[in-house]
Amino acid sequence: RKEVEQDPGPFNVPEGATVAFNCTYSNSASQSFFWYRQDCRKEPKLLMSVYSSGNEDGRFTAQLNRASQYISLLIRDSKLSDSATYLCAVNGLYGDMRFGAGTRLTVKP
Amino acid sequence: DTEVTQTPKHLVMGMTNKKSLKCEQHMGHRAMYWYKQKAKKPPELMFVYSYEKLSINESVPSRFSPECPNSSLLNLHLHALQPEDSALYLCASSQAPGYEQYFGPGTRLTVT
Repeated sequence: RKEVEQDPGPFNVPEGATVAFNCTYSNSASQSFFWYRQDCRKEPKLLMSVYSSGNEDGRFTAQLNRASQYISLLIRDSKLSDSATYLCAVNGLYGDMRFGAGTRLTVKP
Repeated sequence: DTEVTQTPKHLVMGMTNKKSLKCEQHMGHRAMYWYKQKAKKPPELMFVYSYEKLSINESVPSRFSPECPNSSLLNLHLHALQPEDSALYLCASSQAPGYEQYFGPGTRLTVT
């Protein structure tokens, strides 16, 4: 079983749609959780940290469920510029971060 | 300003060459990382340096040799690589292990 499993995608959605990504992790000792965005041939960029209480940044909402060991990302009112690969990341105490396989999102006009 | 710089941007090397990748951060971060990323795959952790000491080596072959000269710099020395080592090599840094990591733009390596 992979340490971090992520919706395979791809997701093709129209502008304005709401899209949700999920990710599950196997190590219950994991300490911190993140969503990264990666554009083609670029480095991953931190989108959001994910907290137990849930957190929101504009159109983006992230949630963590420690009991069920999953994290989620909701994007509301999708824009063309949201097209990218979204990677969930699960970090251990020693910085041993593991990424999900990534979900490719394409937002179409 | 969250910035991690990496040089060179691109590198082509033969299997008998020795080369080095360089990474620098000026954020006062105390943890630095090397990742390898193949096309259409997520980044895979190679090494973790915490407070300038190697704390994690993910069973990386010895032809990859990391070095941390000081808290701002991280190098990856390459020797006798194989064509399958061709990939994007990403450096990252974080305030401390366990905190969010910020990535540099990467070095795209081709081994011929």
